[in-house]
Amino acid sequence: DVQMTQSPSTLSASVGDRVTITCRASQSISIWLAWYQQKPGKAPKLLIYKASSLESGVPSRFSGSGSGTEFTLTISSLQPDDFATYYCQQYNNYSGTFGRGTEVEIK
Amino acid sequence: EVQVLESGGGLVQPGGSLRLSCAASGFTFSTYGMSWVRQAAGKGLEWVSTISGSGDTTYYADSVEGRFTISRDNSKKTLYLQMNSLRAEDTAIYYCAKRAFGYYYMDVWGKGTTVTVSS
Repeated sequence: DVQMTQSPSTLSASVGDRVTITCRASQSISIWLAWYQQKPGKAPKLLIYKASSLESGVPSRFSGSGSGTEFTLTISSLQPDDFATYYCQQYNNYSGTFGRGTEVEIK
Repeated sequence: EVQVLESGGGLVQPGGSLRLSCAASGFTFSTYGMSWVRQAAGKGLEWVSTISGSGDTTYYADSVEGRFTISRDNSKKTLYLQMNSLRAEDTAIYYCAKRAFGYYYMDVWGKGTTVTVSS
């Protein structure tokens, strides 16, 4: 099974900061990676698919990059609405393994 | 509007059974694969099961293989998860999610239904 390792597990940042979250796969998954945002008590929301494609309606301050085993999610200028937990997910195969999540909290 | 809405969660004793349902609307249900993903309190997301649009192909996480059965009724636009031999570690919020066409990521999620396994 493909294992996904996300870092950091928690990130403290201020409004306006540039934020980067990393996700590493235990084997190559090409570009088959998605990023989700989840707020407390809510369902996950798709942000990025195919490593760097922005889902419709998602603000352009979110971007994704990477291929193979290393991927990043970047928020160019953190907004109050962005404080949440972010998950990566590989979909190179049907199991769709998730990373353990990165909580972005207010500094 | 594309939506999925789960129901059927509740409190069940260890060893018991429960069937979750997920009603879909706003898209051609039979065209899309569907998945169940769960989340224990304070924990991350765990993929549980996936079914193809036609229903003829199913996949399960090792943790539920042999105990859970995913199915769908395309005429009713409804997805199901039959859960048998439930364990305390199955306690979680269960999300129904629509798969993106041809891929295994999920582009539409329901609000979730809570399953509690406890005596």
